[in-house]
Amino acid sequence: SQTIHQWPATLVQPVGSPLSLECTVEGTSNPNLYWYRQAAGRGLQLLFYSVGIGQISSEVPQNLSASRPQDRQFILSSKKLLLSDSGFYLCAWRGSSTGELFFGEGSRLTVL
Amino acid sequence: SQQGEEDPQALSIQEGENATMNCSYKTSINNLQWYRQNSGRGLVHLILIRSNEREKHSGRLRVTLDTSKKSSSLLITASRAADTASYFCATDRNTGGFKTIFGAGTRLFVKA
Repeated sequence: SQTIHQWPATLVQPVGSPLSLECTVEGTSNPNLYWYRQAAGRGLQLLFYSVGIGQISSEVPQNLSASRPQDRQFILSSKKLLLSDSGFYLCAWRGSSTGELFFGEGSRLTVL
Repeated sequence: SQQGEEDPQALSIQEGENATMNCSYKTSINNLQWYRQNSGRGLVHLILIRSNEREKHSGRLRVTLDTSKKSSSLLITASRAADTASYFCATDRNTGGFKTIFGAGTRLFVKA
């Protein structure tokens, strides 16, 4: 069966520090992968999606970047965090036959 | 940018009552999906309805889709306290990578 893992689960970082959030998927190959951000009490904002290794589409201009170095690994990064980067970051993969998204448990980032 | 808008933003009902949530969207879609999120957790897929379908059932869930009005509704019958969560609609557009865009969500509180 397929599983998705995100880490770290929580992170407190100072403004200006770097960021790396990692997401890995097991039990499937060549999945479409997604990074979303959710502000407190709000909906999900699509940040990046990827249809294959090295293929990244960015939805919102910002100081975040994403990379897909391996088929089932998706990384969200920043060189210098801003206060506005605080939020709940969710990684997901798409079931190719069903179209539904399967989400990880999320990474809560607080930038101070 | 958000594609779907849920209505109402928040809903409080008694256990045993039905809960109806609505979703409107802006562009043509391949399918529409509903997800559930418990506080601080990842989203869980509930049901998917394709653009050529008008109604779909799954257990206590009933989803309708009106593509002429670009709207959908989610009905939860005989609600339980455990149904307390946020509910999101999401739409899929085939842009080569299948972008799934979420609405702002409805926060449902079911009182025991």
